Amino acid sequence: GAVVSQHPSWVICKSGTSVKIECRSLDFQATTMFWYRQFPKQSLMLMATSNEGSKATYEQGVEKDKFLINHASLTLSTLTVTSAHPEDSSFYICSARDRMGGDTGELFFGEGSRLTVL
Amino acid sequence: GQNIDQPTEMTATEGAIVQINCTYQTSGFNGLFWYQQHAGEAPTFLSYNVLDGLEEKGRFSSFLSRSKGYSYLLLKELQMKDSASYLCAPMDSNYQLIWGAGTKLIIKP
Repeated sequence: GAVVSQHPSWVICKSGTSVKIECRSLDFQATTMFWYRQFPKQSLMLMATSNEGSKATYEQGVEKDKFLINHASLTLSTLTVTSAHPEDSSFYICSARDRMGGDTGELFFGEGSRLTVL
Repeated sequence: GQNIDQPTEMTATEGAIVQINCTYQTSGFNGLFWYQQHAGEAPTFLSYNVLDGLEEKGRFSSFLSRSKGYSYLLLKELQMKDSASYLCAPMDSNYQLIWGAGTKLIIKP
């Protein structure tokens, strides 16, 4: 099946620093990628929808200046957590849909990135 | 509003059959996905139903009734590796997946 690669898997950083997470679709093109955050024992929470070549669409309550999303190509989207604080510690997951699959195609998930802010 | 209701946790025995129910309310409907998520890992796709009825895929089957806002995931011949959370995710009119907290399935020997 299709593969989405997310990097890094684990990251520990100091409070106030910025962290960049990459999400790549390895064998398909994705015009749209999704970024989620998941706290322990809670549901996936959609943070934003990343659109290739245009600005991301953020969900209500998600600070766009804190969570910078760039979708520079059909296979790469990045999420940068700026000035990270301990409350930003979470499991961040990206997903992508093969553009050939249409709007109801299967979502393929990256492996997730566990961020710990000290 | 949009809502998903699944049991929080279920326990079953290795080799047995378990059915995980899901009821949902969404603004519009474009099908329903089931995902499996092992602890500390990202979700993996299990099934997609857009029409009423049962879709069978190996040991896993998924059922949908659009008029009732109801779906279930049926797991047969349970194996220890099936211990995971199972996420029911309907897709609304904007093609957005709506995620619940999922059902944690515990398999006992």
